[in-house]
Amino acid sequence: EPEVTQTPSHQVTQMGQEVILRCVPISNHLYFYWYRQILGQKVEFLVSFYNNEISEKSEIFDDQFSVERPDGSNFTLKIRSTKLEDSAMYFCASRTVVEQYFGPGTRLTVT
Amino acid sequence: GDSVTQMEGPVTLSEEAFLTINCTYTATGYPSLFWYVQYPGEGLQLLLKATKADDKGSNKGFEATYRKETTSFHLEKGSVQVSDSAVYFCALRDDKIIFGKGTRLHILP
Repeated sequence: EPEVTQTPSHQVTQMGQEVILRCVPISNHLYFYWYRQILGQKVEFLVSFYNNEISEKSEIFDDQFSVERPDGSNFTLKIRSTKLEDSAMYFCASRTVVEQYFGPGTRLTVT
Repeated sequence: GDSVTQMEGPVTLSEEAFLTINCTYTATGYPSLFWYVQYPGEGLQLLLKATKADDKGSNKGFEATYRKETTSFHLEKGSVQVSDSAVYFCALRDDKIIFGKGTRLHILP
């Protein structure tokens, strides 16, 4: 069964560094999303992406964040200058009509 | 804006007990409704869904019915198992998914 994959599974970085989180959505899906979950808290929407542009973004998704679909398969989330409060689990998702399929997540730890 | 409210946890039950986790939603339209489950150390798995009023979603013995009149989507299971211990998220879809805060379920053997 096709699935969303994410790499790396765990990323440790120092405050102020740039990180890129990578996702490979399911191949025939057209809508892509990033969410994050700070430890012990609920899952929060960051951004949605369709037709090579951002469809919607939340207040969390400020100028430090960007997304890109650099080729036909990858979907990336970049954080330009990480802060301690960016430490969280980041989930990528893609969908067809109804269901969103989530990847396993990347745990980002900012020290 | 749209939102989801679910019962606070943790919920602790003995094996074979009946489970209900309450969920209500606020939405301007007619969203699809979901329950996701997150096992310890893992990602989000879709447990069940319902796309319109009076639909019943079911999977692995869990059920939830989309009730438009009460804007609810309560999760139920007749006989829980230790392996059901996890965090359960109620959610609605308005393009993006809006999650509730999650309910931690702990089943005692």
